[in-house]
Amino acid sequence: GAGVSQTPSNKVTEKGKYVELRCDPISGHTALYWYRQSLGQGPEFLIYFQGTGAADDSGLPNDRFFAVRPEGSVSTLKIQRTERGDSAVYLCASSLSGPNTGELFFGEGSRLTVL
Amino acid sequence: AQSVTQLDSHVSVSEGTPVLLRCNYSSSYSPSLFWYVQHPNKGLQLLLKYTSAATLVKGINGFEAEFKKSETSFHLTKPSAHMSDAAEYFCVVSDLAAGNKLTFGGGTRVLVKP
Repeated sequence: GAGVSQTPSNKVTEKGKYVELRCDPISGHTALYWYRQSLGQGPEFLIYFQGTGAADDSGLPNDRFFAVRPEGSVSTLKIQRTERGDSAVYLCASSLSGPNTGELFFGEGSRLTVL
Repeated sequence: AQSVTQLDSHVSVSEGTPVLLRCNYSSSYSPSLFWYVQHPNKGLQLLLKYTSAATLVKGINGFEAEFKKSETSFHLTKPSAHMSDAAEYFCVVSDLAAGNKLTFGGGTRVLVKP
């Protein structure tokens, strides 16, 4: 597609449930990033993939969060045993190479609400 | 550790008047600095970036920013605001010490009055 695509755009779930959020990056972009944006705040880094491997997962808040990118394209962010504090907009971005150029292309985000 | 402070959470301007969005940063190394814009229900879009070349950086839609190392600032300006500039703006820093990860400021919401 022309841009970064994220699904679902909105997800409402109950505390304790499992959630998957999907990101389809721009074709040919080797780098993929997940950020989390809580209400009234700037995006916070979660994880960065270069190809299929997680080059930096230092932003994942705890072991309930996990992300994969098995074929170096689409990525899935997985959240186990969701908590109300996980409610946020989860942003995916991609870039041609690594993060040092700063030119990331962002999707519109997946808004997660945990009741 | 790198960090970014956007000094105003909200800025209100009249159409046709100048816009100034203030940003101060902290970085252990020579940083790269960026401004991103987020329109309602749209993805974040890069406005401009500074990566140790010219200190005055021109971006899209008439925006520009000046890197001032002595003041650790990277303020964003536009001479004449348009209604379409109403959005949220994020100042962003990146440096080698943080593995070139982007660190975002808290954002400044711009309201443009007719």
